Amino acid sequence: NAGVMQNPRHLVRRRGQEARLRCSPVKGHSHVYWYRQLPEEGLKFMVYLQKENIIDESGMPKERFSAEFPKEGPSILRIQQVVRGDSAAYFCASSPLWQGSDEQYFGPGTRLTVT
Amino acid sequence: AQSVTQLGSHVSVSEGALVLLRCNYSSSVPPYLFWYVQYPNQGLQLLLKYTSAATLVKGINGFEAEFKKSETSFHLTKPSAHMSDAAEYFCAVSDPMIYNQGGKLIFGQGTELSVKP
Repeated sequence: NAGVMQNPRHLVRRRGQEARLRCSPVKGHSHVYWYRQLPEEGLKFMVYLQKENIIDESGMPKERFSAEFPKEGPSILRIQQVVRGDSAAYFCASSPLWQGSDEQYFGPGTRLTVT
Repeated sequence: AQSVTQLGSHVSVSEGALVLLRCNYSSSVPPYLFWYVQYPNQGLQLLLKYTSAATLVKGINGFEAEFKKSETSFHLTKPSAHMSDAAEYFCAVSDPMIYNQGGKLIFGQGTELSVKP
């Protein structure tokens, strides 16, 4: 059984470029969450998606960030015109149901470095 | 709004000693509570969770946690530390009742556990 897969594991971008982070959930899971971990901090919720729907994006910065979870294929977190402050580890998690009692399965993360 | 506070960003214990990592939460409704462990450069792994059943929850690797509503606490313990327990530990809370928010997790700041030989 494959767990949550994220790629790339490490991504280096220059300021102003675009970053695209991919997340393939556990097979059969239809709920995906994205979290960001800044250096020396805990994880912060960004967005919650179901297939083809954004359910809660209350943690997403208003500009430059977008997320999608299409009917087919992985979930994508897209950051346009990256800045140094976007440097962080981005984690994707998936769960089989929407209920808060369900365990979220985390991927290994994508470590974004903006130079 | 829900929040989680982990007391102590760094905890150091000797191998074989008791591990106690503290977590206090704030929630207007009985929450679901989780402890996750993160090893360097890896994702998070669930240690245990409380979902309104037994207040003493046993998890993997010998860890357990007790939900104390009166103290709004969910401290993580292990009777005897092992070198392999060295990692970062996160306490998290989710709200079971709000459909539109799903099960998003609110994390504490994390506690780094060091184990001395």
